[in-house]
Amino acid sequence: QKEVEQDPGPLSVPEGAIVSLNCTYSNSAFQYFMWYRQYSRKGPELLMYTYSSGNKEDGRFTAQVDKSSKYISLFIRDSQPSDSATYLCAMSAVELTFGQGTILTVHP
Amino acid sequence: EAQVTQNPRYLITVTGKKLTVTCSQNMNHEYMSWYRQDPGLGLRQIYYSMNVEVTDKGDVPEGYKVSRKEKRNFPLILESPSPNQTSLYFCASSRVRNEQFFGPGTRLTVL
Repeated sequence: QKEVEQDPGPLSVPEGAIVSLNCTYSNSAFQYFMWYRQYSRKGPELLMYTYSSGNKEDGRFTAQVDKSSKYISLFIRDSQPSDSATYLCAMSAVELTFGQGTILTVHP
Repeated sequence: EAQVTQNPRYLITVTGKKLTVTCSQNMNHEYMSWYRQDPGLGLRQIYYSMNVEVTDKGDVPEGYKVSRKEKRNFPLILESPSPNQTSLYFCASSRVRNEQFFGPGTRLTVL
């Protein structure tokens, strides 16, 4: 069993939809939780960074961590075609462990 | 402009021919690392470096070498590449370990 599980999708939604991306994990030692966004033919870029359980909001993006359930989510409100990318969850106790990535397409 | 650069961006080579992928950052970051990205497996760490002359193995170090002689550079060396090392490689750097800044990637094909 992988330490971090992420549904690879692909996920296709219409513009304006609310998108929910999720990861589950098995390592209780993970304390830091991140979401990276990767556009085609580019390197990943850090989107959201949270520590411990709770919610963090940044514009249209909300990251949610539930340590009791070992579950993290990224919500995208009012999704735009420019949000089309692969979204990678990542978490760490010491080194970063990444999920497989979810391919998201937002169509006009 | 703050950036991580990698060279080459694309490389096709043959089994057993030694190669080096260079990585350089201009942000004065202590921490640097190498990842490979494969379909269905996500990003896996190969090696990382906490500072000059300090390197350590990641999750998939077999068949790779690294060195950190200068703070800004962290080359990845494949002494005898094999087809199972065909992958997309990313170098990353950061001031703190979790907030990594990735390079544009190097797509390597080993025939």
